[in-house]
Amino acid sequence: EPEVTQTPSHQVTQMGQEVILRCVPISNHLYFYWYRQILGQKVEFLVSFYNNEISEKSEIFDDQFSVERPDGSNFTLKIRSTKLEDSAMYFCASGAGQGARYEQYFGPGTRLTVT
Amino acid sequence: AQSVTQLDSHVSVSEGTPVLLRCNYSSSYSPSLFWYVQHPNKGLQLLLKYTSAATLVKGINGFEAEFKKSETSFHLTKPSAHMSDAAEYFCVVSDPTNAGNMLTFGGGTRLMVKP
Repeated sequence: EPEVTQTPSHQVTQMGQEVILRCVPISNHLYFYWYRQILGQKVEFLVSFYNNEISEKSEIFDDQFSVERPDGSNFTLKIRSTKLEDSAMYFCASGAGQGARYEQYFGPGTRLTVT
Repeated sequence: AQSVTQLDSHVSVSEGTPVLLRCNYSSSYSPSLFWYVQHPNKGLQLLLKYTSAATLVKGINGFEAEFKKSETSFHLTKPSAHMSDAAEYFCVVSDPTNAGNMLTFGGGTRLMVKP
């Protein structure tokens, strides 16, 4: 069964460093998403991406964040200058279409720790 | 704006007994509602979804949920718990008019199943 994969599973970085979290969505999917979950808090939407453009982003997704689909198979989330409060589990998801008819398939997550 | 409240952060049941995980939602529109499950070190997996068709929705692994508009609830049930049901469960709402297909998560309920 096709799966969304994410690498790395754990990432430790120092404050102020740039990190790139990588995701390989399911191959025929066209819609891509990032969510995050700070320890002890709810899963929060960050951004949705379709046709090489951001469809929607939350207030969390400020200028420090960017997303890219560099090669037609990967979908990346970049944090330019990490802060302590960026420590969280980051989930990538992909879907075949837009709307609730289409399930969002989630990856296992990348745990980011900023020290 | 939309929101989801999961009324119990932890639920413990004995194997073979019924499961009830409670969820209330708030939405300005007729929402789509989902239950996702997360097993350790795995991605979020869709259990079932409600998208304005039948109010009683059946999902995988014997789970079902009933949409009750008058109570703004979408509780998840299973007649008989199995040890493999131990996991974290998330109630999720989506606004069908939302262009980015953003999902809004509840805080999660950790289900423990005792032998």
